[in-house]
Amino acid sequence: NAGVMQNPRHLVRRRGQEARLRCSPMKGHSHVYWYRQLPEEGLKFMVYLQKENIIDESGMPKERFSAEFPKEGPSILRIQQVVRGDSAAYFCASSPRAPTNEKLFFGSGTQLSVL
Amino acid sequence: SQKIEQNSEALNIQEGKTATLTCNYTNYSPAYLQWYRQDPGRGPVFLLLIRENEKEKRKERLKVTFDTTLKQSLFHITASQPADSATYLCALVGNSGYALNFGKGTSLLVTP
Repeated sequence: NAGVMQNPRHLVRRRGQEARLRCSPMKGHSHVYWYRQLPEEGLKFMVYLQKENIIDESGMPKERFSAEFPKEGPSILRIQQVVRGDSAAYFCASSPRAPTNEKLFFGSGTQLSVL
Repeated sequence: SQKIEQNSEALNIQEGKTATLTCNYTNYSPAYLQWYRQDPGRGPVFLLLIRENEKEKRKERLKVTFDTTLKQSLFHITASQPADSATYLCALVGNSGYALNFGKGTSLLVTP
């Protein structure tokens, strides 16, 4: 029973390029969450999605960042025109039901480095 | 604004002793609180969930208390082992009802 799968594990981009981070939730989970973790900082909530819907994107920067969770395929976090400040670990989590009273299952993260 | 505060200083204890970690929160009215463990380079792993009407919850060597009057949760690891060394995070659902917000975590080091 595979857990939450994230790829790539490490991603290097130059300033101005696009970064695409992928997340496949656990089997049977239709709720996906993206978090960002900066060095010495806590996990910061970015966005919560259900299949084909963005439910809460209150933690997502207004520009350059977008997320989707299509009917088929993994959830994608897309960062356009990356800057050095985007360098961080990005974690995806999933749950089988809506987040109230639910634990989250996390992937191992994607470490994004912007040169 | 909503805040979750955990001891920022690392906690160093000797193997066999009890580790106690603190989580304080402000401007939350949580129905429940969660604790996670995070190892370097890995995602957090769920440990325990405690509801507002539960004063205490146990799982093997772990014990969590939840005091909604003090706005505090305590996380205990009894008979600690070097393998317990990790960062421990507490988490609460924010006002949106969707976002699970995390404290910065407390790093625990258990030495033989």
